[in-house]
Amino acid sequence: AQSVTQLGSHVSVSEGALVLLRCNYSSSVPPYLFWYVQYPNQGLQLLLKYTSAATLVKGINGFEAEFKKSETSFHLTKPSAHMSDAAEYFCAVRGYSGGGADGLTFGKGTHLIIQP
Amino acid sequence: NAGVTQTPKFQVLKTGQSMTLQCAQDMNHEYMSWYRQDPGMGLRLIHYSVGAGITDQGEVPNGYNVSRSTTEDFPLRLLSAAPSQTSVYFCASRRISLGVDGYTFGSGTRLTVV
Repeated sequence: AQSVTQLGSHVSVSEGALVLLRCNYSSSVPPYLFWYVQYPNQGLQLLLKYTSAATLVKGINGFEAEFKKSETSFHLTKPSAHMSDAAEYFCAVRGYSGGGADGLTFGKGTHLIIQP
Repeated sequence: NAGVTQTPKFQVLKTGQSMTLQCAQDMNHEYMSWYRQDPGMGLRLIHYSVGAGITDQGEVPNGYNVSRSTTEDFPLRLLSAAPSQTSVYFCASRRISLGVDGYTFGSGTRLTVV
């Protein structure tokens, strides 16, 4: 079965500081992993995805994530936070907890707060 | 391209009422799905479809019905709304033939059941 754990429901960083959002996964099939961002009152936008190619994945808006199989992790990073990065971030793995191979299983989300 | 379009954006229902949340996509995506988002819970899969005439249950299907008569549309029906169905609902789609790719999400329907 698939599951995703995002450590920290809220993360606060100063503008210009490193952003690190943590995601650990469990998957009964080769994992395909995603990070989505949700701005207030909007839908989800794909930031980046890992689909068994390069383990370091670069996405939009300067974000990147590294797939580490030994740690079952897919943490999201950005070297320098901007005020516009304030949003909710979701990590997701292919498949859902009921056993299906399609659909997505999401973590509970991390609210990123940027301090001026 | 409009992408994934959800209507309505907001809805208030009384307990026991029925309604249909609409989802339409113009990208010729075979796969369509419905999620609900609740505070502190992330998004949970309700139902999904891999093509016209084919639907299946996700993680939280109880209280919801779906059908897929065309590739473009995937409506979600609440037959007898309950307060526990107060949530934000997202429709998402993707092209199966392109392998695993990111899903395109609609902007959501915020439903309140009183």
